[in-house]
Amino acid sequence: NAGVMQNPRHLVRRRGQEARLRCSPMKGHSHVYWYRQLPEEGLKFMVYLQKENIIDESGMPKERFSAEFPKEGPSILRIQQVVRGDSAAYFCASSPSDTSYEQYFGPGTRLTVT
Amino acid sequence: AQSVSQHNHHVILSEAASLELGCNYSYGGTVNLFWYVQYPGQHLQLLLKYFSGDPLVKGIKGFEAEFIKSKFSFNLRKPSVQWSDTAEYFCAVNALGYGNKLVFGAGTILRVKS
Repeated sequence: NAGVMQNPRHLVRRRGQEARLRCSPMKGHSHVYWYRQLPEEGLKFMVYLQKENIIDESGMPKERFSAEFPKEGPSILRIQQVVRGDSAAYFCASSPSDTSYEQYFGPGTRLTVT
Repeated sequence: AQSVSQHNHHVILSEAASLELGCNYSYGGTVNLFWYVQYPGQHLQLLLKYFSGDPLVKGIKGFEAEFIKSKFSFNLRKPSVQWSDTAEYFCAVNALGYGNKLVFGAGTILRVKS
């Protein structure tokens, strides 16, 4: 019974490049959450998606960041024109419904911007 | 905005010592409360949760937590720690009426000396 999968686990990008982070939720889960963890800080909520819908993007930076969760395939967090301050661990979590508050986390993608 | 504070960022204990990690949150309404653990090199795992009912909740591996509504606290306890409890512990809150997102504390790194 596979858990939440994220890839890549490590990603290195130069300033100005694009970063694409992928998340496959647990089987049977249709709700996905993205969180970012900066060094020495806790996880900060970014965005909450259902299949083909963004439900809550109150934690997303206004520029350069976008997320999608298509009908088929994984959820994608996209960061355009990365800057050094984007270096962080990005975690994805999933839940089976919008009334299930328990979230299951993936292993994270560690993004390093050089 | 809701916030979660964890009192100690680093805790060092000897095996068999008792553990208490503090967690306080700022939100006056109904909350769901969680403790997650991240062992070295692994992803976040749910340790225990509180939704309603008995404010003393039991989790995995001998951990428990007590919800004290009047103090806005949800402290994690374990009577006797083991070397294998070395990990980072995160308290998280979901505030009802503010969507499904979790608000995390900054984490407490526990090191247990054998």
